[in-house]
Amino acid sequence: EAAVTQSPRNKVAVTGGKVTLSCNQTNNHNNMYWYRQDTGHGLRLIHYSYGAGSTEKGDIPDGYKASRPSQENFSLILELATPSQTSVYFCASGDRVQDTQYFGPGTRLLVL
Amino acid sequence: QQKVQQSPESLTVSEGAMASLNCTFSDGTSNNFRWYRQHSAKGLEVLVSIFSDGEKEEGRFTAHLNRANLHVSLHIREPQPSDSAVYLCAVSMGNAGAKLTFGGGTRLTVRP
Repeated sequence: EAAVTQSPRNKVAVTGGKVTLSCNQTNNHNNMYWYRQDTGHGLRLIHYSYGAGSTEKGDIPDGYKASRPSQENFSLILELATPSQTSVYFCASGDRVQDTQYFGPGTRLLVL
Repeated sequence: QQKVQQSPESLTVSEGAMASLNCTFSDGTSNNFRWYRQHSAKGLEVLVSIFSDGEKEEGRFTAHLNRANLHVSLHIREPQPSDSAVYLCAVSMGNAGAKLTFGGGTRLTVRP
């Protein structure tokens, strides 16, 4: 089974500050994804990547940047955090063949 | 844009009784469907994937797909209290790297 880890697990940030959420996967999957989960909206895709060096915009990319420096690592960057970005963020990885996505444990972000 | 809706929003069943969850989608060309389970404050666990009309069984979990009716369901045989969680339906086009669209989830409670 795929192993996806996220750090930090919990984060408190101030409005206007920079936040970086990190994701690591150890199964050599090409595709990686960042979602946020909010009550009433379910899981929504922010950014995704097909491999090292690639990032693509998902359905709600505004206010977020992504970076895929290697096959294993995919980061989500909030340059200027706002209270509306308070949420639980999930990273996932998937292979190209079946594209089953395997999820990390989530990061709970609170922006004050 | 794909819309995925789940019903009911919440469901309570007694231990051992069948639990049935529903998911409708809007894009009839979708061909990649997954059911995930999410325990409180945890990541998502994939339960069953289905790619063609009919049924697919994984242990106590059975998915039924009817693409003509834009409907996929999940049936849980002999549910246990440990099955209490939020169940999420996810739909995609099935091509490599295709984005998943999630439903809002069904919260299942299994009474001992």
